[in-house]
Amino acid sequence: ETGVTQSPTHLIKTRGQQVTLRCSSQSGHNTVSWYQQALGQGPQFIFQYYREEENGRGNFPPRFSGLQFPNYSSELNVNALELDDSALYLCASSLDRRNTGELFFGEGSRLTVL
Amino acid sequence: TQLLEQSPQFLSIQEGENLTVYCNSSSVFSSLQWYRQEPGEGPVLLVTVVTGGEVKKLKRLTFQFGDARKDSSLHITAAQPGDTGLYLCAGWGTGNQFYFGTGTSLTVIP
Repeated sequence: ETGVTQSPTHLIKTRGQQVTLRCSSQSGHNTVSWYQQALGQGPQFIFQYYREEENGRGNFPPRFSGLQFPNYSSELNVNALELDDSALYLCASSLDRRNTGELFFGEGSRLTVL
Repeated sequence: TQLLEQSPQFLSIQEGENLTVYCNSSSVFSSLQWYRQEPGEGPVLLVTVVTGGEVKKLKRLTFQFGDARKDSSLHITAAQPGDTGLYLCAGWGTGNQFYFGTGTSLTVIP
């Protein structure tokens, strides 16, 4: 059973550019959520996808968007990058959306915006 | 947004000491989880508590969910260097999502 994998692991962009981050969920998991984590802080919820549809969103602007594919892998797209977007972006997959469900995290994509 | 405040933010102790980390909110959560995150990795689940007043023990770690389901604590007995990491609480709240706490960075010195 493969775990959650994310790519790329590190990337550097300049302000105003666009970025796409990718996530392969754990086998059998139909729910993927994305988080933004500043250094030394807790993850902030961006949005969640369940069976290819967005079904929850945190306090992030529309330039943060996503997709989930039929194989339940997912993408996070960020347009018009700002300096404050520099962070670790974590993807987590889970079996479903239960309040007792375990989130399985990838190692994250470290984005630096210059 | 439902906020979870953790204290202390940073903790540095000697091997063998005991410690407690607190996770507090003014909101009610239907469940609460604790995760540990090591550098360069994603968080890993330690425990889930769902009932007010519930206490769970995992070896040297004891987790408690407050009676009103607004707060939680993590107690570590006889800390070891392998316990070093960022400890995160996460509550399941409105919008069917997990709200993560501000984090407690623990360093255990050999």
